[in-house]
Amino acid sequence: QSVLTQPPSASGTPGQRVTISCSGGSSNIGRNSVNWYQQLPGTAPKLLIYNHNQRPSGVPDRFSGSKSGTSASLAISGLQSEDEADYYCAAWDDSLDALVFGGGTKLTVL
Amino acid sequence: EVHLVESGGGLVQPGGSLRLSCAASGFTFSNYSMNWVRQAPGKGLEWVSYISSSSGTTYYADSVKGRFTISRDNAKNSLDLQMNSLRAEDTAVYYCARDGTGIWLIYWGQGTLVTVSS
Repeated sequence: QSVLTQPPSASGTPGQRVTISCSGGSSNIGRNSVNWYQQLPGTAPKLLIYNHNQRPSGVPDRFSGSKSGTSASLAISGLQSEDEADYYCAAWDDSLDALVFGGGTKLTVL
Repeated sequence: EVHLVESGGGLVQPGGSLRLSCAASGFTFSNYSMNWVRQAPGKGLEWVSYISSSSGTTYYADSVKGRFTISRDNAKNSLDLQMNSLRAEDTAVYYCARDGTGIWLIYWGQGTLVTVSS
């Protein structure tokens, strides 16, 4: 069982807006940067969002992140077929002295 | 351009040892902390270990503590993971990943597969 909780799956149609939630606790999301990773099939993960809501260079502004208390969300607007991937949230946990990941959410574009 | 290239994966018997390496290029290696992250077949991401830029601080996941050792050689721009007492549950693709200015993994290698089986 993962320290951070994500829904196992999400779906949407092209052009739609979808959100993926990530629930944690006071020792991880409540205190530290929340980051999101996208993993396309058969490839290495890619940093999508860091420090709750910052996008690395090259990440489209269709992707956005937010945090409230001990939960965080990733929103994808204008959904495209190439967004079909696994998405993971992560944060440093001060109690565990470990980087913790969510279990991952498989996004399907219908 | 940043490149991280892992090597050293392969098939090993339970109880055996393996040493993974990650060759870094395209950035000042000695300025950044590094991590190992693994992914078992069909499963999610699991962080394994962290090492600070100067090697002064290391952290490990409970699942590997006491069995794995992370190290780096800043003169050679390389990161290692010594894995001892390997178990079937250590079977995974192992990625090395570089931190950004905070603890987010901004660059990843392509991964190397470790299979622990008799």
